[in-house]
Amino acid sequence: DAKTTQPTSMDCAEGRAANLPCNHSTISGNEYVYWYRQIHSQGPQYIIHGLKNNETNEMASLIITEDRKSSTLILPHATLRDTAVYYCIVRVVYGNKLVFGAGTILRVKS
Amino acid sequence: NAGVTQTPKFRVLKTGQSMTLLCAQDMNHEYMYWYRQDPGMGLRLIHYSVGEGTTAKGEVPDGYNVSRLKKQNFLLGLESAAPSQTSVYFCASSFSARDRHNEQFFGPGTRLTVL
Repeated sequence: DAKTTQPTSMDCAEGRAANLPCNHSTISGNEYVYWYRQIHSQGPQYIIHGLKNNETNEMASLIITEDRKSSTLILPHATLRDTAVYYCIVRVVYGNKLVFGAGTILRVKS
Repeated sequence: NAGVTQTPKFRVLKTGQSMTLLCAQDMNHEYMYWYRQDPGMGLRLIHYSVGEGTTAKGEVPDGYNVSRLKKQNFLLGLESAAPSQTSVYFCASSFSARDRHNEQFFGPGTRLTVL
């Protein structure tokens, strides 16, 4: 599975959009981009995933660049409860392993 | 549905003691996983199972054994605990990898301290 690079931490004002970047320059054609988050002391939670098209669900939007070498997770209206570590993971869709990096610590502040 | 549950939530062991962590899921998932998370780090895969009666090694399997005798349960064993195994252990489950989505659902974690 391809490696990812994420900033160590980010701050966001409550009510504003949080944009979390991820670089995955060695991603292969059959690898998807997945995002999970981990709120303090809890197990990780799935957010969204995509291949090459932008994706949106009730939690977030995922924007993947045309060359697929990077992506951005967007939380449109961040709340204090969105404070968490966000993990960007790339993997083969039919694979069964998630390889977690250190992730990005997102702090939403009032 | 309870989702993924883990027993116990906390445990303190002395070096050399043994213990078993239990993971249970009620979602009829084929795949189950055990991860460990050390402070300030991401999760690392210990062992996983793609179905009842099958297990496979993950990234950091040494010092651990697993068993999947029933589809809904996945046991993680420490035969002789070491301080390096002090960590938070997370269990997860997912549908078959044939499912394109293949979201993993995680339990609440077990905090293990080995003195």
